[in-house]
Amino acid sequence: GEDVEQSLFLSVREGDSSVINCTYTDSSSTYLYWYKQEPGAGLQLLTYIFSNMDMKQDQRLTVLLNKKDKHLSLRIADTQTGDSAIYFCAVRRDTGRRALTFGSGTRLQVQP
Amino acid sequence: NAGVMQNPRHLVRRRGQEARLRCSPMKGHSHVYWYRQLPEEGLKFMVYLQKENIIDESGMPKERFSAEFPKEGPSILRIQQVVRGDSAAYFCASSPAGRAMGTGELFFGEGSRLTVL
Repeated sequence: GEDVEQSLFLSVREGDSSVINCTYTDSSSTYLYWYKQEPGAGLQLLTYIFSNMDMKQDQRLTVLLNKKDKHLSLRIADTQTGDSAIYFCAVRRDTGRRALTFGSGTRLQVQP
Repeated sequence: NAGVMQNPRHLVRRRGQEARLRCSPMKGHSHVYWYRQLPEEGLKFMVYLQKENIIDESGMPKERFSAEFPKEGPSILRIQQVVRGDSAAYFCASSPAGRAMGTGELFFGEGSRLTVL
């Protein structure tokens, strides 16, 4: 089965870069996602990457994928206090189960 | 274009009562997923449904939990004889079908927070 792991907590200063890491076990994971959850709210998709890509950049967000090590990271440049939230990594196979498998989430705290 | 709608947002039940959580997917979406988030934990997959069909219920507890997505109306997650350990946030997500699945992302509702006293 799939297993997705993340560190639980990250604290950065406003203006610094944040890097949130994720590892997964299923090498057939084809689609990989980063979701953001603010307190008391649902999950919003931030960005995604296909397994045939190494990197994707979207404004302040950079996603890096190392397929060999099954490692995914999300870099947030110029982190703002509004970025404080829980960030979830999620993976999905192209076939079989359509549901996403989520990591436990990384709580990002941005200090002014 | 309304997003995924869940109700109630908050539900309080006493042990032994029943909880019913409803989810209306986004317009044009025919796939519904239910996830559970325990306090300070990630999301755990429960069940994946299409209209009138349960496609994958591998994450559903074997007893007391059931889900349906009828031809008309919202999807319902039903928990019978609730216990304190059922206290959690229950999230519904939806996606379009077939080729419209595109990137395969799921669109989430705001969640229903169940508290069992």
